[in-house]
Amino acid sequence: DVKVTQSSRYLVKRTGEKVFLECVQDMDHENMFWYRQDPGLGLRLIYFSYDVKMKEKGDIPEGYSVSREKKERFSLILESASTNQTSMYLCASSPFKQVLNSPLHFGNGTRLTVT
Amino acid sequence: KNEVEQSPQNLTAQEGEFITINCSYSVGISALHWLQQHPGGGIVSLFMLSSGKKKHGRLIATINIQEKHSSLHITASHPRDSAVYICAPTLNFGNEKLTFGTGTRLTIIP
Repeated sequence: DVKVTQSSRYLVKRTGEKVFLECVQDMDHENMFWYRQDPGLGLRLIYFSYDVKMKEKGDIPEGYSVSREKKERFSLILESASTNQTSMYLCASSPFKQVLNSPLHFGNGTRLTVT
Repeated sequence: KNEVEQSPQNLTAQEGEFITINCSYSVGISALHWLQQHPGGGIVSLFMLSSGKKKHGRLIATINIQEKHSSLHITASHPRDSAVYICAPTLNFGNEKLTFGTGTRLTIIP
């Protein structure tokens, strides 16, 4: 069974802190994604990666960066956390280079609160 | 105008009832996912379909490409089906874009 693991379920950080959200998948998937989920807005794509050291901006990349040094790990970085980045963050992976029609596997999410 | 519309936003039903959740989208698609999110946040992929109908246990997903509409049905609903159900079509705007609906919150009462 595919496992996508996010390092924290709940996180509380202060405004201005640098925040790292980690995601690891164990099925050798090429594609990995970071989304945020807010009430009434659905899931919105922040960044995605289809290979090691490759990254592409999604719909809302401002205030975020990512790192993919190894195939199994995709990190989301908040350079200077702000209160409007309080949200649920979800990582996903999929197995093929054809990005959009591949089945998606999600992590359990990290609920980040910035105070 | 939203690219993906789900209805209803909230649905409460008695155990055993037949459930239908609807998804409409604005442009052509290449595929559509139905996802399930339980309280606590984890999301599970239920179906990916591009035409016709798929069935898995008590869950059935259908899609009508011409009408730009998909439905998720649950037969003999059970309290453990209580979750948020999310429709996610891959929309064709010239290039393809995976887009998510805002979800339908389903509560099944014993």
